Amino acid sequence: QKEVEQNSGPLSVPEGAIASLNCTYSDRGSQSFFWYRQYSGKSPELIMSIYSNGDKEDGRFTAQLNKASQYVSLLIRDSQPSDSATYLCATNTGGFKTIFGAGTRLFVKA
Amino acid sequence: DGGITQSPKYLFRKEGQNVTLSCEQNLNHDAMYWYRQDPGQGLRLIYYSQIVNDFQKGDIAEGYSVSREKKESFPLTVTSAQKNPTAFYLCASRPLGQGYTGANVLTFGAGSRLTVL
Repeated sequence: QKEVEQNSGPLSVPEGAIASLNCTYSDRGSQSFFWYRQYSGKSPELIMSIYSNGDKEDGRFTAQLNKASQYVSLLIRDSQPSDSATYLCATNTGGFKTIFGAGTRLFVKA
Repeated sequence: DGGITQSPKYLFRKEGQNVTLSCEQNLNHDAMYWYRQDPGQGLRLIYYSQIVNDFQKGDIAEGYSVSREKKESFPLTVTSAQKNPTAFYLCASRPLGQGYTGANVLTFGAGSRLTVL
């Protein structure tokens, strides 16, 4: 059973639209959740971290966490072609492991 | 500047050879990690270490070995027992004991791309 699941996509949105990326996790003990962006051939870079239920906003990005539903999402407002990348959802589990989902590929069409 | 240095960036291996990927960090982070990424896939954990001279197997440790003799260094050896080693390898680190703060996130190196000839 995969511990972090994401829709692999690709998700295609027009420039200026809102992109919605979703992630579910299986470990109810997980407390820390992260969204990383990864461009092709590059290493992942942190976009957002979230630890409490609710929304957390940073510029055009909003992370949403619902621990009861074991669900994390990332909204990207005013999507730009430069947002085209793979978005990885991750969580820290007990034992200091950080595990990742398979990633969702996002394409923003100009 | 603080960061993680991985070397080499590209590596070619003949079948039956062992190769070692280097990972050095100057962030004073306690924990270090090795991940493998295949095309179109997410990151899979190979090994991780929380403290010098101690490390744990991740989800895909077979065919790999590591050492943690210094806090700054966590080299990964891809042995001949790893039957399909062609992949992108990522080293990462993070501090421990930071609770639920922005400090407990992973910092990644630039990666090493291994190709088996």
